[in-house]
Amino acid sequence: NAGVMQNPRHLVRRRGQEARLRCSPMKGHSHVYWYRQLPEEGLKFMVYLQKENIIDESGMPKERFSAEFPKEGPSILRIQQVVRGDSAAYFCASSPHPSGNEQFFGPGTRLTVL
Amino acid sequence: GENVEQHPSTLSVQEGDSAVIKCTYSDSASNYFPWYKQELGKRPQLIIDIRSNVGEKKDQRIAVTLNKTAKHFSLHITETQPEDSAVYFCAGGGGADGLTFGKGTHLIIQP
Repeated sequence: NAGVMQNPRHLVRRRGQEARLRCSPMKGHSHVYWYRQLPEEGLKFMVYLQKENIIDESGMPKERFSAEFPKEGPSILRIQQVVRGDSAAYFCASSPHPSGNEQFFGPGTRLTVL
Repeated sequence: GENVEQHPSTLSVQEGDSAVIKCTYSDSASNYFPWYKQELGKRPQLIIDIRSNVGEKKDQRIAVTLNKTAKHFSLHITETQPEDSAVYFCAGGGGADGLTFGKGTHLIIQP
């Protein structure tokens, strides 16, 4: 049973470009969470998705950020017109439970904005 | 929503000694409290968790205690080893709002 997969592991973008981060949950998990982690800081919740539904996006910036979890394929976190402040590690986690219990993390995508 | 506070932010202990990390939470509806270990450049890994119907849980050298009345829970690591050096995160939740993470404790094991 493969763990949570994320790609790419490292992503470099210039200011103004778009970043697309992908997350494939563990087999049997239908709940996906995205977190942002700045250097030397904790995990900040961004968004919680189930298949084809955004359940909670209270942690997501209102502009430039969007997320989806289609019926087929991975969950995608999309950042449009990236700025230097978007540089961070973005982790996704998946869970078999709707309550957020037992979240298992992917390896993260480290986004660097030049 | 839930608010989780974690202390200390940095903890340095001698190898072989015990380490204790403490967290408090605000939402009495929270019923699930996991701990994650994150090594430098790696993903957070779930090391132990406790649910609100239990006061203590142990797994080899690590244990977690929960005081629901006081709304605090703690991670205890005994006989610390160099490989225990990492950042540890507590979290609370389990309700409709998911998990809220503490800011992390950087545990340093001195040889």
